[in-house]
Amino acid sequence: GESVGLHLPTLSVQEGDNSIINCAYSNSASDYFIWYKQESGKGPQFIIDIRSNMDKRQGQRVTVLLNKTVKHLSLQIAATQPGDSAVYFCAESYSGSARQLTFGSGTQLTVLP
Amino acid sequence: DAGVTQSPTHLIKTRGQHVTLRCSPISGHKSVSWYQQVLGQGPQFIFQYYEKEERGRGNFPDRFSARQFPNYSSELNVNALLLGDSALYLCASSLGRANTEAFFGQGTRLTVV
Repeated sequence: GESVGLHLPTLSVQEGDNSIINCAYSNSASDYFIWYKQESGKGPQFIIDIRSNMDKRQGQRVTVLLNKTVKHLSLQIAATQPGDSAVYFCAESYSGSARQLTFGSGTQLTVLP
Repeated sequence: DAGVTQSPTHLIKTRGQHVTLRCSPISGHKSVSWYQQVLGQGPQFIFQYYEKEERGRGNFPDRFSARQFPNYSSELNVNALLLGDSALYLCASSLGRANTEAFFGQGTRLTVV
């Protein structure tokens, strides 16, 4: 079946640097994408979303980029802080699927002091 | 405002038993979805309920069932528990059927022994 995958299972960055987490998706029908942050023992926390009619969306310290041509999604975190250390998931959905979210396996982001 | 609340937070059951997990969505949200997250993986879609009706079902056996009540809270039931059912069970709520901007609860950690 269709799936969402992440390029890198782990990512380590220095505090203050920018982080980029990548995600590949395979379902060309997907029209809505979300990034979640999950800390140990907690549920996924909504970070930012983007619809397929957009290429870029910015939030507070985060930017999501969508490249539909190559089915690629990325999350950029500016000035990464220790509190950003977590597992990050991208998720996709499409209108014909009851909007069920399909998640990738996640990327562990570690912020080094 | 309270977010998505789930109960219990932790649960230990024996193989063959059944379990009921509960979820209260964010006030005003009418859609509830259930996900199973096995350690080290992304969440997997189980069910979506909207206006007390099942709107979507993932690839899970009939041992899994759910329902939504008039106040939009929901229960997930699992019968004849197997060791492989051990996971974090997550509830997500969203405003409408479109299920965009889904917000997760902290989950129920189920351990089957």
